[in-house]
Amino acid sequence: QKEVEQNSGPLSVPEGAIASLNCTYSDRGSQSFFWYRQYSGKSPELIMFIYSNGDKEDGRFTAQLNKASQYVSLLIRDSQPSDSATYLCAANVASGTYKYIFGTGTRLKVLA
Amino acid sequence: SAVISQKPSRDICQRGTSLTIQCQVDSQVTMMFWYRQQPGQSLTLIATANQGSEATYESGFVIDKFPISRPNLTFSTLTVSNMSPEDSSIYLCSVIRGLEEEAFFGQGTRLTVV
Repeated sequence: QKEVEQNSGPLSVPEGAIASLNCTYSDRGSQSFFWYRQYSGKSPELIMFIYSNGDKEDGRFTAQLNKASQYVSLLIRDSQPSDSATYLCAANVASGTYKYIFGTGTRLKVLA
Repeated sequence: SAVISQKPSRDICQRGTSLTIQCQVDSQVTMMFWYRQQPGQSLTLIATANQGSEATYESGFVIDKFPISRPNLTFSTLTVSNMSPEDSSIYLCSVIRGLEEEAFFGQGTRLTVV
């Protein structure tokens, strides 16, 4: 069974620090990976997507993909209390299917 | 990103009844999906809503319980039929537009069955 795994947390970091969120996936056929942020009681909001090995940066966020090791990570620099949320990692089931498998999410707490 | 309107935003329903959730997108989209997020859990794909034809259901979900319609490229409905307390969940519409793979979500419908 295809799976995406995340540590549920909570991950607590002080304000201004770097938060590192990790995700592993089981299916080597997955080619596209996504990070969503979900505030309590709200719907998931897309933060980053990454398709190629290496790093992809967007503002304070950096997504990292290592297909050989089957892991994806999200770094949040200069963490703010407003970053406190659950972060969901998702992988596509197979190329071109547009179906996602979601991890259970990591709860991040940024302490002021 | 697409503007996705989902309604109702929440409802409390009696067991044995049915609820229809609507999802309206502001522009034509390639794919529309329905997800469920049970309390404290992640998202599970229910089905792919196919325009003008029967939806494609994932393992564990059936048409009799979750009938889905998609009459055009911008609108879909999900019905939760013969509800029980186990159906209490957040139901989310998701869309993918054009050749992009990134999915965007509606605001969700928080359903409580009593």
